[in-house]
Amino acid sequence: QVHLVESGGGVVQPGRSLKLSCAASGYSFSSHGMHWVRQAPGKGLECVAVIWFDGSIIYYADSVRGRFTISRDNFKNTLYLQMNSLRAEDTAVYYCARLLGAAFQIDYWGQGTRVTVSS
Amino acid sequence: DVVMTQSPLSLPVTLGQPASISCRSSQSLVHSDGNTYLIWFQQRPGQSPRRLIYKVSNRDSGVPDRFSGSGSGTDFTLKISRVEAEDVGVYYCMQATHWPVTFGGGTKVEI
Repeated sequence: QVHLVESGGGVVQPGRSLKLSCAASGYSFSSHGMHWVRQAPGKGLECVAVIWFDGSIIYYADSVRGRFTISRDNFKNTLYLQMNSLRAEDTAVYYCARLLGAAFQIDYWGQGTRVTVSS
Repeated sequence: DVVMTQSPLSLPVTLGQPASISCRSSQSLVHSDGNTYLIWFQQRPGQSPRRLIYKVSNRDSGVPDRFSGSGSGTDFTLKISRVEAEDVGVYYCMQATHWPVTFGGGTKVEI
């Protein structure tokens, strides 16, 4: 059974950094790409980054490019999102989600971790 | 970026009656491999999204057969044949053909 557990969220001041983690279990983590998707309060969904199964291909949304870095450790079955220069508009619940199959398909999601950027 | 437009924003439904949600994309979702990567998710209150339908019309394991997806190119529909109380939540379409992946704004289904 696929299980994704995010951690690392919290309250942070604008301009500071935060690192999120997503621990995966129940499947072969190293065989699947992963997404980070966020949902601002009362808003819809935005995919901010995706990383291929081996880390060889990475894409970012324009809204976070240059500030966020997605990475993974296939030995630890863990996905990361390093978030720098945080802004109020980065406030959201951040989900990790598994990439399955061709293109950028998502199947399973974690439960999310909340990030609040506020002074 | 591909813009995904869902309608309606809110869908009041009656238990046992059908419901339909529309999703339109600003450009074709046909991938170079010939597949159309249009996905439907359900997000119940306080939960993370759950995938219902992938590649337009394929139902995920465990999803009741009252849910069905259809469409092609840029025009897609999610139908619930007979709404049940557990179907309350927000439904999102998502295109996974092009980067960045993009989501519709969501349709809130309420009894």
